[in-house]
Amino acid sequence: DAGVTQSPTHLIKTRGQHVTLRCSPISGHKSVSWYQQVLGQGPQFIFQYYEKEERGRGNFPDRFSARQFPNYSSELNVNALLLGDSALYLCASSYGQEAYEQYFGPGTRLTVT
Amino acid sequence: AQKVTQAQTEISVVEKEDVTLDCVYETRDTTYYLFWYKQPPSGELVFLIRRNSFDEQNEISGRYSWNFQKSTSSFNFTITASQVVDSAVYFCALSDYNNDMRFGAGTRLTVKP
Repeated sequence: DAGVTQSPTHLIKTRGQHVTLRCSPISGHKSVSWYQQVLGQGPQFIFQYYEKEERGRGNFPDRFSARQFPNYSSELNVNALLLGDSALYLCASSYGQEAYEQYFGPGTRLTVT
Repeated sequence: AQKVTQAQTEISVVEKEDVTLDCVYETRDTTYYLFWYKQPPSGELVFLIRRNSFDEQNEISGRYSWNFQKSTSSFNFTITASQVVDSAVYFCALSDYNNDMRFGAGTRLTVKP
């Protein structure tokens, strides 16, 4: 079975632009979570979606938004990009809403110049 | 507030040495989950173990073992007879019931041949 997939792998954007990152969970998984990992730090929780509804939100500004589609795939959107948004964005999927073992995707490396 | 502290930023050992990675956590919840993840240079987070707050039994899986002690709020990870392939960044994480997962800053382990 395919694991969690994310696209694109790498992305370079300019300050002020908008970006959309995509994630496909493991087949049968209904929960998708997004994390931001700045170089040299641990991942930070951004959002969790379960059954297409937001079930958790970390301490990120409103420039960050996400949604989950009927097929449980998800998009993370970031508006008005700042240099500090440069990071590895990780998507994780799990079967249920609770803290079951999450399986992480390979991430999208976003560079803002 | 939940917090995870990994005091060891970097550890370097010679192959076949045993090594222990420390993790101390803070939470006010009575129900919580503790995790260890491995992040090799490829960047993808690999799930190693999950423990819930009601299960203090230590666990051994091959060369890996984990020591969970609620009295000291610690969840330490030991690799026995380390190998070069164990070189990676290891993250300890804490999650509440809503899947808001907090990661430590990580410990970079280098195993030299």
